[in-house]
Amino acid sequence: RKEVEQDPGPFNVPEGATVAFNCTYSNSASQSFFWYRQDCRKEPKLLMSVYSSGNEDGRFTAQLNRASQYISLLIRDSKLSDSATYLCVVLTNAGKSTFGDGTTLTVKP
Amino acid sequence: NAGVTQTPKFRILKIGQSMTLQCTQDMNHNYMYWYRQDPGMGLKLIYYSVGAGITDKGEVPNGYNVSRSTTEDFPLRLELAAPSQTSVYFCASSYAARGFQETQYFGPGTRLLVL
Repeated sequence: RKEVEQDPGPFNVPEGATVAFNCTYSNSASQSFFWYRQDCRKEPKLLMSVYSSGNEDGRFTAQLNRASQYISLLIRDSKLSDSATYLCVVLTNAGKSTFGDGTTLTVKP
Repeated sequence: NAGVTQTPKFRILKIGQSMTLQCTQDMNHNYMYWYRQDPGMGLKLIYYSVGAGITDKGEVPNGYNVSRSTTEDFPLRLELAAPSQTSVYFCASSYAARGFQETQYFGPGTRLLVL
């Protein structure tokens, strides 16, 4: 079993749709959680940090469920520019970082 | 403030050759990372460092070596290049304190082709 598993995707949605991605992790010592966005052949860029209390940034909402060991990302009112690969990353307090394999989102007109 | 810089951007190696991928950050981050990303796949951790003089293996360390003599630099060494090492290599850095890590900042990547 992989340490971090993401929805395999791909997700193909129309503009304006709401889409949700999930990511589960197996290491209960994990301390920090993030969602990154990666455009084709570019470096990953931070989308959001993920906190137990949940956090929201415009159309994006991230949630952490420590008891069930998963994090989620919700995108509302999808735009064409949201088309990308979304990566979750889980870090332990010892510094080890594990990325999921990514979920590809394509938003269509 | 350049962030994380990587050199070279692209390199072709012959099987058995060696090379060093350079990574430098100017944000005074204590943590640094090397990842590889194969086509259509996620990022795999090769090595990481939580401070100068300290390095640890990640998920896929075989065939690579690292050193961290300064806070700023974290070079990745390939001693005997193999076709399986054809990949895109990303370096990243972050700040961590009291067990909590801030976000990782990534360099633009080095594309390596081994023939």
